[in-house]
Formats: sequence, C-alpha cells, structure tokens
Amino acid sequence: DAGVIQSPRHEVTEMGQEVTLRCKPISGHDYLFWYRQTMMRGLELLIYFNNNVPIDDSGMPEDRFSAKMPNASFSTLKIQPSEPRDSAVYFCASSLGYPGSNQPQHFGDGTRLSIL
Amino acid sequence: GQNIDQPTEMTATEGAIVQINCTYQTSGFNGLFWYQQHAGEAPTFLSYNVLDGLEEKGRFSSFLSRSKGYSYLLLKELQMKDSASYLCVVCNQAGTALIFGKGTTLSVSS
Repeated sequence: DAGVIQSPRHEVTEMGQEVTLRCKPISGHDYLFWYRQTMMRGLELLIYFNNNVPIDDSGMPEDRFSAKMPNASFSTLKIQPSEPRDSAVYFCASSLGYPGSNQPQHFGDGTRLSIL
Repeated sequence: GQNIDQPTEMTATEGAIVQINCTYQTSGFNGLFWYQQHAGEAPTFLSYNVLDGLEEKGRFSSFLSRSKGYSYLLLKELQMKDSASYLCVVCNQAGTALIFGKGTTLSVSS
C-alpha cells in the first residue's frame, strides 16, 4: 500500500518567494497533520485536519503560513512570503484516529526546505 | 506549562539493553507514544501506552506510570540499526493535541 506522499522532497528558494508543499494522505485516513522539524525546536505540530476540516491551527507560526485540504486525498501548506527562518523539514502525516487515540500516525518522507 | 524531558543523547553497545526515560508535565493526559526516527528519515510509530504498566512488542517495551508522569522505552538485544532518535510524545487530556519531546539520540556501537 502507498504511504503518505509528499512533494517536493527538496526545495531551495530565495526569501520572499511563495512556497507550496503538497501531501497525499493514506486512503481512508480521516486525519491529516502538518509538522515542522528543526534542530533547535524539534518536531512541532503546525495544524491538523479531520475530514478535510482544520481542527487545530494553533501551531501555525504566523499569517505567512496557510494550509488547505480541498479533498480527502490532498493537502497543501503554503508559505508566503518565505523567510530564511522557515528553513526546516516539513512532514505530513495521516492517521485513522484523533491525536489521543491508539491509532499511530504515518509520516511522509518530508520536504527539506531551504530559504536563502 | 507543558513540558517533556528526555535525555539528549545515549550510547550503548550491540547486544546490550538500554532504557530511555521520559518525564512529562502536561495539561492532563490521554496517551503516550514512542516514535523512532532514523537520521534523514520520517518518524515511525513504536508504541502506545494509555494505562499504567508495561507494553511489550518484540525487542521493544514501553512502560507508563501516570501518577509519576513517567515513561520509559526499553530496547533489548541492541542492534546497529537501532541507532536513531527516539521521540516521546504525550497527548493532552482532550485528546486534541500532541506534545513532542526533543528526542533522545541513541548511538549503538559494535
């Protein structure tokens, strides 16, 4: 079975540019999560969706970040305008259950983003 | 505030047993996860505890004491491939949010 699919795997762009990260969750998973990982801050939950509806976006750092889930098989995380401090690995994960359930989250391979 | 503490780094040798501790202070509790993350890769699920006690799964076991706000991950018969970061993750009371530890980097040597 296909796992969580993220694209692109790597992105290098100049500050000020718009960046769009994409994610396809595992079919049948009702929950989708976006994470950011850096050496300094570790893994941080940015936002998660249930049945395409954003449930908790308290982790989104600022208005430059936005996420959408137009249908059950696709989500985007957009940064506009991008800044060097946004450089990180961004993971998408999906799950059959809410965060506190015993259902594990399945992570994609991540997008390594570098903002110059 | 909410906080998860785990050691930053640990070292061990092949064939040994290692215990990675995790203490947490969170707004309520609704489950604790351990994830493994190899360098440059995505985290993968190892274990889930919601009740006190030990959960065993092959070479890996995870223990939880809710009254002490404490968990540990026990790895037996260590192999080189166990060199990775191990993340302790706690879910809040409402079951709506996950709090991640910074991870413990385990290095296994021969």
